[in-house]
Amino acid sequence: NAGVTQTPKFRVLKTGQSMTLLCAQDMNHEYMYWYRQDPGMGLRLIHYSVGEGTTAKGEVPDGYNVSRLKKQNFLLGLESAAPSQTSVYFCASSYPDKVLYFGPGTRLTVT
Amino acid sequence: GEDVEQSLFLSVREGDSSVINCTYTDSSSTYLYWYKQEPGAGLQLLTYIFSNMDMKQDQRLTVLLNKKDKHLSLRIADTQTGDSAIYFCAPTPPPGGYQKVTFGTGTKLQVIP
Repeated sequence: NAGVTQTPKFRVLKTGQSMTLLCAQDMNHEYMYWYRQDPGMGLRLIHYSVGEGTTAKGEVPDGYNVSRLKKQNFLLGLESAAPSQTSVYFCASSYPDKVLYFGPGTRLTVT
Repeated sequence: GEDVEQSLFLSVREGDSSVINCTYTDSSSTYLYWYKQEPGAGLQLLTYIFSNMDMKQDQRLTVLLNKKDKHLSLRIADTQTGDSAIYFCAPTPPPGGYQKVTFGTGTKLQVIP
């Protein structure tokens, strides 16, 4: 049981480049989330999904897009990266109203 | 929406007790979770308390809940260097429809040997 996995672990982008972060979970969870973590800011929710084929905006959705074509996968896209998107990105999954299980994180630097 | 506040930093000596505090605003929270984030890793559930409880003890961990003041605390007895981490408070809304879990800013616990 791998839990929640994230790919890649590290990435460096130049301003304006695009990339996709992949999250996968093998716990059959309905809900999936993308957070970013910045010093002194805690965790801020970017987008979330309550089921396959559904997505919704969180607190800080601007500059990001997501897709959930399969229940086990949740993709986070950056179409045109900006230095303000330098952060650590965490994916999480859960059953409704239950504990969140987090992935190990992706450290993204945009220069 | 929910506001959750924690102090950013706490430093204790090995063997002492640590107390990490959290205040929140949504009185309808049913589960109140504490997550632990070790360096370079994601968050993991550490412990939790139901909103109808005042206290929960789990080995070296004690969680205290004051619902009237909307105050939650996590006490770690006999703090060890392995307890060095960031601790997040996360009150969870009641079941029924999707409601966002709000995390506090996290308290970084430094344990001095």
